Amino acid sequence: AQSVSQHNHHVILSEAASLELGCNYSYGGTVNLFWYVQYPGQHLQLLLKYFSGDPLVKGIKGFEAEFIKSKFSFNLRKPSVQWSDTAEYFCAVTVPSGGSYIPTFGRGTSLIVHP
Amino acid sequence: DVKVTQSSRYLVKRTGEKVFLECVQDMDHENMFWYRQDPGLGLRLIYFSYDVKMKEKGDIPEGYSVSREKKERFSLILESASTNQTSMYLCASRWRDSSYEQYFGPGTRLTVT
Repeated sequence: AQSVSQHNHHVILSEAASLELGCNYSYGGTVNLFWYVQYPGQHLQLLLKYFSGDPLVKGIKGFEAEFIKSKFSFNLRKPSVQWSDTAEYFCAVTVPSGGSYIPTFGRGTSLIVHP
Repeated sequence: DVKVTQSSRYLVKRTGEKVFLECVQDMDHENMFWYRQDPGLGLRLIYFSYDVKMKEKGDIPEGYSVSREKKERFSLILESASTNQTSMYLCASRWRDSSYEQYFGPGTRLTVT
């Protein structure tokens, strides 16, 4: 079964610092990749996704992620974080599984940004 | 805007009770999912439905069952609630194509005492 690893479980930054959250997956075929965010008290929502084309994808609120196939990675980046980026971030990978396409989620990274 | 609604935000039940969690989506999505979210464990898939009356077990189906009689509604059933089922339950829906993202409901925080 495929797995998704998020290496940073808790990250604490000051405003204006740069952010990089790691995500690695364990599947050798074609994948669809997603980053979701859950702000305090809100439901999970999509930040960005990759399914083909340019491996550098841009999402909402200044976030971007780079798909590196050779490293099985899809790291999330933001050059300058804001207090409002405090949230939990989840990486997800969708691979074919017996005719279905079931997403597998990482364990999440809790980001706290101090003003 | 896609909307996924869940019947309750908070629920408290006693051990041994039968519990129904309802999820409704308004965008004609074929696929629907039930997850539980626990601190440090991320989202774990309980059941997945790829169309009406169709279902597949996820990673942790034990103690749960599901029902999908209509396209817009996906129910999670705890036949006999236990304290280890205390958790946040999230419902999601998606178009059939796997390149599309999931849309999540607000979650139901279930406490079993």
